[in-house]
Amino acid sequence: EVVLTQSPGTLSLSPGERATLSCRASQNVNLAWYQQKPGQTPRLLIYGASTRATGIPARFSGSGSGTDFTLTISRLEPEDSAVYYCQENGSMFGQGTRLEIK
Amino acid sequence: QLQLQESGPGLAKPSETLSLTCTVSGGSISGSTYYWGWIRQPPGKGPEWIASMRGSTYYNPSLMSRVFMSIDTSKNQFSLKLTSVTAADTAFYYCAAIVGASRVDYWGRGLLLTVSS
Repeated sequence: EVVLTQSPGTLSLSPGERATLSCRASQNVNLAWYQQKPGQTPRLLIYGASTRATGIPARFSGSGSGTDFTLTISRLEPEDSAVYYCQENGSMFGQGTRLEIK
Repeated sequence: QLQLQESGPGLAKPSETLSLTCTVSGGSISGSTYYWGWIRQPPGKGPEWIASMRGSTYYNPSLMSRVFMSIDTSKNQFSLKLTSVTAADTAFYYCAAIVGASRVDYWGRGLLLTVSS
């Protein structure tokens, strides 16, 4: 069973700053990232570790391979406030990182 | 554009068996390259993958002793059975179209199941 560990648990940043979210897997995986706002289903941001999904702004980027992955959001905007989840191989999810925009 | 819609009871009693169905429109289950799956999310918590199926079936190890997934291509539906439910199974249950070993492309709107006596 693959275990995904996301860090940090919570991130509080100001508009215009850069956010760096981490996801570490217990074995080599293919990784996707999702954004979830209250009352909504998760929205796909990145798949294959670094490919942006359709309609996702260029300020969202993914990197990494194997077991260590990063989601970077450059130039934060107020609407980026959400919980971000990683998912491995279309199945197990990480526990999430809550991003708060001050 | 695929659309997925969950159906089933919104309330179950402890120890009962839960049955949920997902109806797919906008495409054929049998002709698709998607894996069909179930994901749940307890209120205020993160999503938990339950199972995926396309030919073979894959289950979350933590749930596989209580879960069974099936597909009915004649009705363009797939289903989930979860046995011996407890309050810990209270969650929004989503059906999903999953690109194999990659990502969820489509989500249903979700069905809140509450387990309570």
